[in-house]
Amino acid sequence: TQLLEQSPQFLSIQEGENLTVYCNSSSVFSSLQWYRQEPGEGPVLLVTVVTGGEVKKLKRLTFQFGDARKDSSLHITAAQTGDTGLYLCAGASDTDKLIFGTGTRLQVFP
Amino acid sequence: EAQVTQNPRYLITVTGKKLTVTCSQNMNHEYMSWYRQDPGLGLRQIYYSMNVEVTDKGDVPEGYKVSRKEKRNFPLILESPSPNQTSLYFCASSSHGEGAFFGQGTRLTVV
Repeated sequence: TQLLEQSPQFLSIQEGENLTVYCNSSSVFSSLQWYRQEPGEGPVLLVTVVTGGEVKKLKRLTFQFGDARKDSSLHITAAQTGDTGLYLCAGASDTDKLIFGTGTRLQVFP
Repeated sequence: EAQVTQNPRYLITVTGKKLTVTCSQNMNHEYMSWYRQDPGLGLRQIYYSMNVEVTDKGDVPEGYKVSRKEKRNFPLILESPSPNQTSLYFCASSSHGEGAFFGQGTRLTVV
């Protein structure tokens, strides 16, 4: 069974701080996706990374796919209160099946 | 507007009373799936469909049924709901190699 482990599980920081969330697996994925979920809503796709070593930037968010396509990281620079939410990574197989990590709950205080 | 629509958003029912949660997408996606989300367990796939009339079990299919008669619709059926099926359910759709679009969720309580 493929597993995706995210760390940390919980993160509580002040506005302006930087943070990194990790997503690790022993399995190789065809792509790795990151989602953000607000309470009571469905996950919303932030980014898809496909190539080993790929780095994508979305404003203050930087996503990296590991060279071996087994792990990924999400780095947020100068966090804002609007970044608060549940961050989920998901590994996709060749058949588009998604395996989700258990999530990182981020709380950013003013 | 591209969207995945689930109904109902909230449902309280009694053990054994059959129910259906509907899901519809307007993006002509081939791939649709159902997930349940439980505290500490994350999102787990119940069933998925790679195209019309093609469905397959996900990781936690027991107690659920699905059908895919049309490309846009993918209903989730609980023939005889039990309290352990109390959960937050999400429908999602995607094209091959693309990220998934999720519905707003259905919070189901079985008493």
